[in-house]
Amino acid sequence: QVQLVESGGGLVKPGGSLRLSCAASGFTFSDYYMSWVRQAPGKGLEWVSYISSRGSTISYGDSVKGRFTISRDNAKNSLYLQMNSLRAEDTAVYYCARDFGPTYNWFDPWGQGTLVTVSS
Amino acid sequence: NFMLTQPHSVSESPGKTVTISCTRSSGSIASNYVQWYQQRPGGSPTTVIYENNQRPSGVPDRFSGSIDSSSNSASLTISGLKTEDEADYHCQSYDNSNHVVFGGGTRLTVL
Repeated sequence: QVQLVESGGGLVKPGGSLRLSCAASGFTFSDYYMSWVRQAPGKGLEWVSYISSRGSTISYGDSVKGRFTISRDNAKNSLYLQMNSLRAEDTAVYYCARDFGPTYNWFDPWGQGTLVTVSS
Repeated sequence: NFMLTQPHSVSESPGKTVTISCTRSSGSIASNYVQWYQQRPGGSPTTVIYENNQRPSGVPDRFSGSIDSSSNSASLTISGLKTEDEADYHCQSYDNSNHVVFGGGTRLTVL
């Protein structure tokens, strides 16, 4: 079945860096856009970034632009999110999700999420 | 960019029908499809409605979606409420630049 498994979350100090990974299985990964979506504790969902099937088109939410970098390795069926200059407000569960872009941007399925905590 | 506004919480009794709204702040609700995700406590979001009114396989027909251009809003209606429907529901859309927007989420309590 279609499955997404995130990893790489943890505790990091403000200003630090972290790299998240998402391993995909059960579908042809290279055919799909992929996205990262986050959810701060007790808050709603916030789209972070998407990347096209071949990696040629990338977009970021305003709150992470210039600090986060999305990438993918289709040979490894993997999605990544490099997070630099982390702030306390980046504390959240980060989900990867298959994205039905570019025509219709919606997400299914979602991974189980990985928690990133930014604190000194 | 636009915003999607949802009520913070709704509650209803088992067996009843509840409707959750999602109002778009600018631009037409009909311009871009609206999706609805269910998120049970401690879980990841799952899709219950996509492309305004389509149900993924496995989602019961008690769940339905619609849009209303007069109020510039989308709605998720759940009929025959069950206790298992208790969850957060998030609406989501996007703009013509493929920027994704989520509503703030609605906590549904079935009591």
